[in-house]
Order: sequence, then structure tokens, then C-alpha cells
Amino acid sequence: DAGVIQSPRHEVTEMGQEVTLRCKPISGHNSLFWYRQTMMRGLELLIYFNNNVPIDDSGMPEDRFSAKMPNASFSTLKIQPSEPRDSAVYFCASSPRDIYSHEQYFGPGTRLTVT
Amino acid sequence: GNSVTQMEGPVTLSEEAFLTINCTYTATGYPSLFWYVQYPGEGLQLLLKATKADDKGSNKGFEATYRKETTSFHLEKGSVQVSDSAVYFCALRGFGNQFYFGTGTSLTVIP
Repeated sequence: DAGVIQSPRHEVTEMGQEVTLRCKPISGHNSLFWYRQTMMRGLELLIYFNNNVPIDDSGMPEDRFSAKMPNASFSTLKIQPSEPRDSAVYFCASSPRDIYSHEQYFGPGTRLTVT
Repeated sequence: GNSVTQMEGPVTLSEEAFLTINCTYTATGYPSLFWYVQYPGEGLQLLLKATKADDKGSNKGFEATYRKETTSFHLEKGSVQVSDSAVYFCALRGFGNQFYFGTGTSLTVIP
């Protein structure tokens, strides 16, 4: 079974540009999480979805960030406009919602650099 | 509320030394507990888990025991190798599918 798939793996963009990160969760998993990791702040939860519905977006840093999950097999995280301080590694993770012993499965991450 | 506190790093050990990384938690109810490992340039991957009190999770020579009385889940390995150099995260899954991660502990093992 394929794991969590993220694209692109690396993104370099200029300040002010729109950036879209993509995630395909593991088939059958009905919870999806977006994280951001930096040296300064460590691993931060941005938003998570249960059954395609956003449950907690309190970690989204500001209105420039938005996330969608139009169906069970796809999610996007968009930054518009991007700023240099958004440079980080963004991880997507998925998990079966109703199995409380189950772990999260992480994707390989997207390394975003905003110049 | 739920939270995880783990030992500050970085930790540097010589090969074959004994490793302990402390992790304590605060939770309502009966959470599941996890250790994740992150190698350079990669995502987090599950190292081991325990889903109820007194359970011991183990994998690749690492162990951790779910201690409800001390609310702890310390990671141990009897003899570390250079290949164990990575960042280790303690995590908790509470009711409602929310996951809580510690800040991570960087381990470097020198030959």
C-alpha cells in the first residue's frame, strides 16, 4: 500500500507568489493533518480534517493560509501571498479516525523556500 | 488538557552507550502513546507505541513502557549505534483523534 503522498517535494518561490501544497492520504484513512516544521518552532499542527471536514484550524498562522479537502483522497494547503517566514517543511499525515490505538502516518514532506 | 513534555536535547552519546529520553504526559482519559523517529531529510515514522497502561512497546532495540502512575513513557535503548542518530518525538493520541507531539529530542551517536 502506498503511504501518504505529498507534492511537490521541494518548492522554491518568490515572496508574494501563491503556493499550493498537495497531499494524498492513505486509502481508508478518514483523518488528515497538516503540520509545519521549522528549527525555531519545531513541529506545529496547522489544521486537521475528519471525514473531509475541518475540525481544528486554530494552528493556521493567518489568513494567508487556507486548506481544503474536497474528497477523501486529496487535500491542499495554500499560501497566498507567500512570505519568507513561511519557509519550512510542511508535512501531511493521515490516520484512521475511529481506531484510537492507531498512529498517524506521515508523508515525506514538502520543503518550501520563499525568497 | 492534553500535552506531552519530553527531555530537551541535544543528546550526544558514544556508540554502545545506554540511551534514555524522558517523556511525560498530561491527558484526560486513557490515551495511546507513541514514539516517532525522524531521520535527516525525512518525515516522521513510527518507532513504537503502547495503547494501555503497563504495555511495553518495542522495536529495533528501543523500548518504552506506558506508566500510568507516573504518567511517563520514557524511551530506552541498551546500546545505541551511529545509525540511531535522529530526532525522537514522543506523542499522545487522545479521545477525539487529536494528536499531541513533544518538541523532539535530537540524538547524535559518535563512533
